[in-house]
Amino acid sequence: DAKTTQPNSMESNEEEPVHLPCNHSTISGTDYIHWYRQLPSQGPEYVIHGLTSNVNNRMASLAIAEDRKSSTLILHRATLRDAAVYYCILRDVGFGNEKLTFGTGTRLTIIP
Amino acid sequence: GAGVSQSPSNKVTEKGKDVELRCDPISGHTALYWYRQSLGQGLEFLIYFQGNSAPDKSGLPSDRFSAERTGGSVSTLTIQRTQQEDSAVYLCASSRFLTRDGEFFGPGTRLTVL
Repeated sequence: DAKTTQPNSMESNEEEPVHLPCNHSTISGTDYIHWYRQLPSQGPEYVIHGLTSNVNNRMASLAIAEDRKSSTLILHRATLRDAAVYYCILRDVGFGNEKLTFGTGTRLTIIP
Repeated sequence: GAGVSQSPSNKVTEKGKDVELRCDPISGHTALYWYRQSLGQGLEFLIYFQGNSAPDKSGLPSDRFSAERTGGSVSTLTIQRTQQEDSAVYLCASSRFLTRDGEFFGPGTRLTVL
């Protein structure tokens, strides 16, 4: 599987935007970029995913570089509830890629 | 709309007993996944279903574990002769399409084997 690289930790002030980066220089043409997060003592939560174009949903925005070798998850206005570990994952659509595998992710701390 | 639901939310059992965990996926989701997560550990993939079919059962930890899905909807994960190392949170997720779509997770079943 193509690998992703994320900073181990980030901090942001409450009510400010947060930009979480992810590098995936070996991404293949059929890899989708997925973001999940895991809040303390909770199960994983789907955030957003995309292939080539930028994506927006009610939780966040995903900005994908033109060469697709990096992406940024954008939380427009951070709240304390957004404190979590954020995982950037590449997922190929082919058979044998059904297993969701989380790396170490970015631990996001929100400062009140 | 309704999310993924799992039952029971908590299960305490004695070593050697059988347990059955249930997952109700989001309506219309064709793919269903089972994972488990031990305290402080990462996510461990167990099995996935495309419709009612589970093409690859190699992720199940032992032959004491089995899973089925009926009607393209509800799935049950059965653990026979439970052992203490089976203690974990068992998570179910579903998605519209296998691998191409985001997975929506249920709240999990916390299994404790005494």
